[in-house]
Amino acid sequence: NAGVTQTPKFQVLKTGQSMTLQCAQDMNHEYMSWYRQDPGMGLRLIHYSVGAGITDQGEVPNGYNVSRSTTEDFPLRLLSAAPSQTSVYFCASSLRQPGEQYFGPGTRLTVT
Amino acid sequence: SQQGEEDPQALSIQEGENATMNCSYKTSINNLQWYRQNSGRGLVHLILIRSNEREKHSGRLRVTLDTSKKSSSLLITASRAADTASYFCATDEGGSYIPTFGRGTSLIVHP
Repeated sequence: NAGVTQTPKFQVLKTGQSMTLQCAQDMNHEYMSWYRQDPGMGLRLIHYSVGAGITDQGEVPNGYNVSRSTTEDFPLRLLSAAPSQTSVYFCASSLRQPGEQYFGPGTRLTVT
Repeated sequence: SQQGEEDPQALSIQEGENATMNCSYKTSINNLQWYRQNSGRGLVHLILIRSNEREKHSGRLRVTLDTSKKSSSLLITASRAADTASYFCATDEGGSYIPTFGRGTSLIVHP
């Protein structure tokens, strides 16, 4: 099993550009989440999904969109990038909640 | 907002010593989890303790939960240089099972 994979590993965007961060898992997990990690702030939940076709907002959803058309994939879209979205983004999945979350390696995003 | 807050923010010890870090939270929880993050990597799950449990062990890890004080502690015994990492507690509030993470404790174990 590859576990949770994220692409790209690094990305630089200009303000106003849009992009999609990819996340995929091959463990048949129903639950998937996106977090951002900023220095001194820990991880903050952006969006999450409890199954294909079902998504909900987390603590910091503004400026981000998600969809869950399959169990395996949970892409995160930045609609119009802003410098405040410079961060490290982690995708996670779990078989059940509550339960062990499996994290991807992260995407380091810089917005100039 | 972040539910759990770890204390201390940073901890520096020698190999072989025990490391204790604490997590305090504000509202009632269903479960509390501890995760480890090595520099530049994703988080790795260590242990989950439910609100009706008081203590759990996993190898050199011991986690306690005191719901009356709304706090948990993670003890790493006989620490090793490889334990150098950031440690996060994650809690869920009320009816939500999606965990909320604290800011973490940075642990450095000197060989």
